Amino acid sequence: AQSVSQHNHHVILSEAASLELGCNYSYGGTVNLFWYVQYPGQHLQLLLKYFSGDPLVKGIKGFEAEFIKSKFSFNLRKPSVQWSDTAEYFCAVSAPGGYNKLIFGAGTRLAVHP
Amino acid sequence: DGGITQSPKYLFRKEGQNVTLSCEQNLNHDAMYWYRQDPGQGLRLIYYSQIVNDFQKGDIAEGYSVSREKKESFPLTVTSAQKNPTAFYLCASSMTGTDTQYFGPGTRLTVL
Repeated sequence: AQSVSQHNHHVILSEAASLELGCNYSYGGTVNLFWYVQYPGQHLQLLLKYFSGDPLVKGIKGFEAEFIKSKFSFNLRKPSVQWSDTAEYFCAVSAPGGYNKLIFGAGTRLAVHP
Repeated sequence: DGGITQSPKYLFRKEGQNVTLSCEQNLNHDAMYWYRQDPGQGLRLIYYSQIVNDFQKGDIAEGYSVSREKKESFPLTVTSAQKNPTAFYLCASSMTGTDTQYFGPGTRLTVL
């Protein structure tokens, strides 16, 4: 069965620090990869996604993620975080032919201090 | 204004009672999903539906039931058979053939 592992459950950073959140998945075939974000009191929303092509994907609000097939990883990065990035971040994976089902990681709660 | 609505935002029920959570979308999406979110466990799929009058069990369907009589609506019933129903419930939808899902604001259910 597919699974998604997010290495950090809680991350605390100061503003302007760089961010990298780890995500690994277990599935040997072609996958689609997603990062979703849940800001306090708001809907879960799509941050970025990878389906094919350039493994470096750029999303909203300055976030990017790199797909490394050999490592089964899809880490999320941002060069300089802001207080407004405080949120919970979820990595998700789906496999073509899987009826568009998403498998989510446990989430990483990010707190950015001014 | 297109989107997904869930009601109510907060719901309290007594043990032994069934309760139904509403999910409506006006995005003209064929597929709809129900997830349960618990702290430290991410989102787990309860049920999903690809088309009207058809739905499939997800990973944690026991104690839940759904219906899909209309394209816009996918209500979830939490039955008394669900052993640990207190959680945050999220509804989502997507276009047929795509994996990108759009989420509603959620319903927080508390069993007293």
